[in-house]
Amino acid sequence: GEDVEQSLFLSVREGDSSVINCTYTDSSSTYLYWYKQEPGAGLQLLTYIFSNMDMKQDQRLTVLLNKKDKHLSLRIADTQTGDSAIYFCAEKGGYSSASKIIFGSGTRLSIRP
Amino acid sequence: DTGVSQDPRHKITKRGQNVTFRCDPISEHNRLYWYRQTLGQGPEFLTYFQNEAQLEKSRLLSDRFSAERPKGSFSTLEIQRTEQGDSAMYLCASSRGLAENTGELFFGEGSRLTVL
Repeated sequence: GEDVEQSLFLSVREGDSSVINCTYTDSSSTYLYWYKQEPGAGLQLLTYIFSNMDMKQDQRLTVLLNKKDKHLSLRIADTQTGDSAIYFCAEKGGYSSASKIIFGSGTRLSIRP
Repeated sequence: DTGVSQDPRHKITKRGQNVTFRCDPISEHNRLYWYRQTLGQGPEFLTYFQNEAQLEKSRLLSDRFSAERPKGSFSTLEIQRTEQGDSAMYLCASSRGLAENTGELFFGEGSRLTVL
Protein backbone atom coordinates (compact mmCIF):
# COMPACT_ATOMS: atom_id res chain seq x y z
CA GLY A 1 0.00 0.00 0.00
CA GLU A 2 0.92 3.65 -0.08
CA ASP A 3 2.51 5.17 3.00
CA VAL A 4 4.61 8.25 3.65
CA GLU A 5 6.48 8.68 6.92
CA GLN A 6 8.39 11.57 8.42
CA SER A 7 9.58 12.60 11.87
CA LEU A 8 7.25 14.87 13.79
CA PHE A 9 9.55 17.61 15.07
CA LEU A 10 12.76 19.39 14.18
CA SER A 11 14.35 22.29 16.04
CA VAL A 12 17.24 24.27 14.52
CA ARG A 13 19.11 27.42 15.33
CA GLU A 14 18.48 30.46 13.17
CA GLY A 15 21.04 30.59 10.37
CA ASP A 16 21.76 26.84 10.45
CA SER A 17 20.58 24.38 7.82
CA SER A 18 17.46 22.32 8.39
CA VAL A 19 17.14 18.83 6.97
CA ILE A 20 13.72 17.20 6.95
CA ASN A 21 13.55 13.54 5.99
CA CYS A 22 10.79 11.38 4.55
CA THR A 23 10.39 7.77 3.48
CA TYR A 24 7.72 6.41 1.19
CA THR A 25 6.66 2.95 0.11
CA ASP A 26 5.21 3.27 -3.39
CA SER A 27 7.97 2.31 -5.81
CA SER A 28 5.90 3.59 -8.74
CA SER A 29 5.84 7.17 -7.42
CA THR A 30 6.23 9.64 -10.24
CA TYR A 31 6.40 12.95 -8.40
CA LEU A 32 7.40 13.72 -4.83
CA TYR A 33 6.54 17.00 -3.18
CA TRP A 34 7.24 19.19 -0.21
CA TYR A 35 4.32 21.29 1.00
CA LYS A 36 4.49 23.95 3.70
CA GLN A 37 1.69 24.82 6.11
CA GLU A 38 1.93 27.96 8.19
CA PRO A 39 -0.39 28.50 11.18
CA GLY A 40 -3.93 29.26 10.07
CA ALA A 41 -3.05 28.95 6.39
CA GLY A 42 -3.63 26.37 3.70
CA LEU A 43 -0.94 24.03 2.42
CA GLN A 44 1.28 25.51 -0.24
CA LEU A 45 3.61 23.68 -2.59
CA LEU A 46 7.26 24.48 -1.81
CA THR A 47 8.99 22.32 -4.35
CA TYR A 48 8.74 18.99 -6.13
CA ILE A 49 11.00 16.46 -7.80
CA PHE A 50 10.32 14.04 -10.61
CA SER A 51 11.22 10.47 -9.83
CA ASN A 52 13.94 10.22 -12.48
CA MET A 53 15.94 13.00 -10.80
CA ASP A 54 18.09 12.63 -7.71
CA MET A 55 18.54 16.27 -6.79
CA LYS A 56 16.82 19.57 -7.31
CA GLN A 57 17.96 22.96 -6.05
CA ASP A 58 15.79 26.04 -5.79
CA GLN A 59 17.40 29.01 -4.01
CA ARG A 60 17.70 28.00 -0.33
CA LEU A 61 15.96 24.67 -0.91
CA THR A 62 17.66 21.43 -1.92
CA VAL A 63 15.68 18.25 -2.49
CA LEU A 64 17.49 14.92 -2.54
CA LEU A 65 15.82 11.73 -3.74
CA ASN A 66 17.19 8.24 -3.18
CA LYS A 67 14.81 6.13 -5.22
CA LYS A 68 16.47 2.86 -4.26
CA ASP A 69 15.88 3.50 -0.55
CA LYS A 70 12.63 5.45 -1.18
CA HIS A 71 14.03 8.34 0.82
CA LEU A 72 13.38 12.02 0.20
CA SER A 73 14.91 14.95 2.05
CA LEU A 74 14.47 18.70 2.08
CA ARG A 75 17.35 20.91 3.09
CA ILE A 76 16.69 24.55 3.92
CA ALA A 77 19.88 26.59 4.00
CA ASP A 78 20.27 29.57 6.34
CA THR A 79 17.02 28.83 8.18
CA GLN A 80 15.05 31.92 9.13
CA THR A 81 12.23 32.49 11.61
CA GLY A 82 9.84 32.74 8.68
CA ASP A 83 10.61 29.10 7.88
CA SER A 84 8.75 28.01 11.04
CA ALA A 85 5.93 25.84 9.76
CA ILE A 86 4.84 22.24 9.26
CA TYR A 87 6.44 20.59 6.25
CA PHE A 88 4.61 17.76 4.52
CA CYS A 89 6.20 15.21 2.27
CA ALA A 90 3.83 13.84 -0.38
CA GLU A 91 3.97 11.44 -3.26
CA LYS A 92 1.97 10.89 -6.40
CA GLY A 93 1.85 7.22 -7.14
CA GLY A 94 1.59 5.42 -10.42
CA TYR A 95 1.92 6.61 -13.99
CA SER A 96 -1.66 7.62 -14.48
CA SER A 97 -2.36 11.33 -14.39
CA ALA A 98 -5.38 10.36 -12.30
CA SER A 99 -3.26 9.17 -9.36
CA LYS A 100 -4.03 10.74 -6.02
CA ILE A 101 -1.44 12.43 -3.82
CA ILE A 102 -0.62 10.87 -0.45
CA PHE A 103 0.75 12.99 2.39
CA GLY A 104 2.94 12.23 5.38
CA SER A 105 2.03 13.39 8.90
CA GLY A 106 4.19 16.49 8.67
CA THR A 107 7.36 17.71 10.41
CA ARG A 108 7.00 20.75 12.60
CA LEU A 109 10.07 22.95 12.18
CA SER A 110 10.82 25.37 14.98
CA ILE A 111 13.60 27.93 14.92
CA ARG A 112 15.50 28.95 18.03
CA PRO A 113 17.40 32.23 18.24
CA ASP B 1 -8.97 36.46 -5.19
CA THR B 2 -8.64 33.60 -7.65
CA GLY B 3 -7.55 30.88 -5.23
CA VAL B 4 -9.54 27.95 -3.86
CA SER B 5 -12.25 29.11 -1.49
CA GLN B 6 -14.13 27.09 1.07
CA ASP B 7 -17.25 27.86 3.02
CA PRO B 8 -17.95 27.92 5.89
CA ARG B 9 -14.54 28.30 7.50
CA HIS B 10 -15.80 26.90 10.78
CA LYS B 11 -18.90 24.88 11.61
CA ILE B 12 -19.97 23.78 15.08
CA THR B 13 -22.76 21.24 15.18
CA LYS B 14 -24.38 18.76 17.50
CA ARG B 15 -23.93 15.05 17.05
CA GLY B 16 -26.50 13.64 14.66
CA GLN B 17 -26.93 16.79 12.58
CA ASN B 18 -26.10 17.05 8.89
CA VAL B 19 -23.49 19.49 7.62
CA THR B 20 -22.49 20.60 4.13
CA PHE B 21 -19.27 22.23 3.01
CA ARG B 22 -18.73 24.02 -0.27
CA CYS B 23 -15.56 24.38 -2.30
CA ASP B 24 -14.97 26.71 -5.23
CA PRO B 25 -11.82 25.65 -7.09
CA ILE B 26 -9.58 27.75 -9.28
CA SER B 27 -11.67 28.31 -12.38
CA GLU B 28 -9.48 26.64 -15.01
CA HIS B 29 -8.79 23.55 -12.86
CA ASN B 30 -10.78 20.50 -13.84
CA ARG B 31 -9.66 18.29 -10.97
CA LEU B 32 -10.98 18.77 -7.43
CA TYR B 33 -9.99 16.90 -4.28
CA TRP B 34 -11.32 16.59 -0.75
CA TYR B 35 -8.97 15.76 2.11
CA ARG B 36 -9.48 15.54 5.86
CA GLN B 37 -6.86 16.67 8.35
CA THR B 38 -6.90 16.02 12.09
CA LEU B 39 -4.56 17.55 14.65
CA GLY B 40 -0.99 16.37 14.23
CA GLN B 41 -1.71 14.48 11.03
CA GLY B 42 -1.24 15.11 7.37
CA PRO B 43 -4.13 15.45 4.95
CA GLU B 44 -5.93 12.16 4.36
CA PHE B 45 -7.39 11.64 0.91
CA LEU B 46 -11.18 11.35 0.79
CA THR B 47 -12.24 11.67 -2.84
CA TYR B 48 -11.61 13.47 -6.10
CA PHE B 49 -13.38 14.60 -9.23
CA GLN B 50 -12.32 15.12 -12.78
CA ASN B 51 -14.86 17.61 -14.05
CA GLU B 52 -18.18 16.28 -12.74
CA ALA B 53 -17.09 12.64 -12.51
CA GLN B 54 -16.13 11.28 -9.09
CA LEU B 55 -13.17 9.07 -9.99
CA GLU B 56 -12.04 7.70 -6.65
CA LYS B 57 -13.32 7.43 -3.10
CA SER B 58 -11.27 6.46 -0.07
CA ARG B 59 -12.33 3.69 2.25
CA LEU B 60 -12.37 6.47 4.89
CA LEU B 61 -15.45 7.87 3.18
CA SER B 62 -18.30 6.05 4.90
CA ASP B 63 -21.79 6.08 3.45
CA ARG B 64 -22.61 9.05 5.69
CA PHE B 65 -20.33 11.13 3.47
CA SER B 66 -21.31 12.22 0.01
CA ALA B 67 -19.58 14.58 -2.38
CA GLU B 68 -20.88 16.11 -5.56
CA ARG B 69 -19.62 18.34 -8.30
CA PRO B 70 -22.72 18.72 -10.43
CA LYS B 71 -21.48 21.05 -13.15
CA GLY B 72 -17.80 20.39 -12.90
CA SER B 73 -17.18 23.66 -11.09
CA PHE B 74 -17.90 23.98 -7.34
CA SER B 75 -18.21 20.92 -5.12
CA THR B 76 -20.10 20.09 -1.95
CA LEU B 77 -19.22 17.60 0.76
CA GLU B 78 -22.12 16.53 2.95
CA ILE B 79 -21.80 14.60 6.20
CA GLN B 80 -25.00 13.08 7.48
CA ARG B 81 -25.67 12.12 11.12
CA THR B 82 -22.38 13.63 12.27
CA GLU B 83 -20.33 11.87 14.94
CA GLN B 84 -17.69 13.33 17.25
CA GLY B 85 -15.06 11.45 15.27
CA ASP B 86 -15.94 13.55 12.23
CA SER B 87 -14.41 16.62 13.92
CA ALA B 88 -11.55 17.66 11.66
CA MET B 89 -10.43 20.19 9.10
CA TYR B 90 -11.88 19.42 5.68
CA LEU B 91 -9.56 20.59 2.94
CA CYS B 92 -10.40 21.16 -0.68
CA ALA B 93 -7.76 21.35 -3.38
CA SER B 94 -7.80 21.72 -7.12
CA SER B 95 -5.35 21.05 -9.91
CA ARG B 96 -5.05 21.01 -13.65
CA GLY B 97 -5.90 17.59 -14.99
CA LEU B 98 -3.35 17.45 -17.76
CA ALA B 99 -1.38 14.25 -18.08
CA GLU B 100 1.90 16.09 -18.33
CA ASN B 101 1.45 18.32 -15.33
CA THR B 102 3.18 17.86 -12.00
CA GLY B 103 -0.05 17.30 -10.10
CA GLU B 104 0.48 20.36 -7.92
CA LEU B 105 -2.47 20.82 -5.62
CA PHE B 106 -3.75 24.28 -4.73
CA PHE B 107 -5.40 24.12 -1.34
CA GLY B 108 -8.10 26.21 0.22
CA GLU B 109 -7.83 27.27 3.85
CA GLY B 110 -10.17 24.51 4.96
CA SER B 111 -13.48 24.15 6.74
CA ARG B 112 -13.10 23.21 10.39
CA LEU B 113 -15.86 20.97 11.73
CA THR B 114 -16.48 20.62 15.47
CA VAL B 115 -19.07 18.04 16.49
CA LEU B 116 -20.28 18.42 20.08
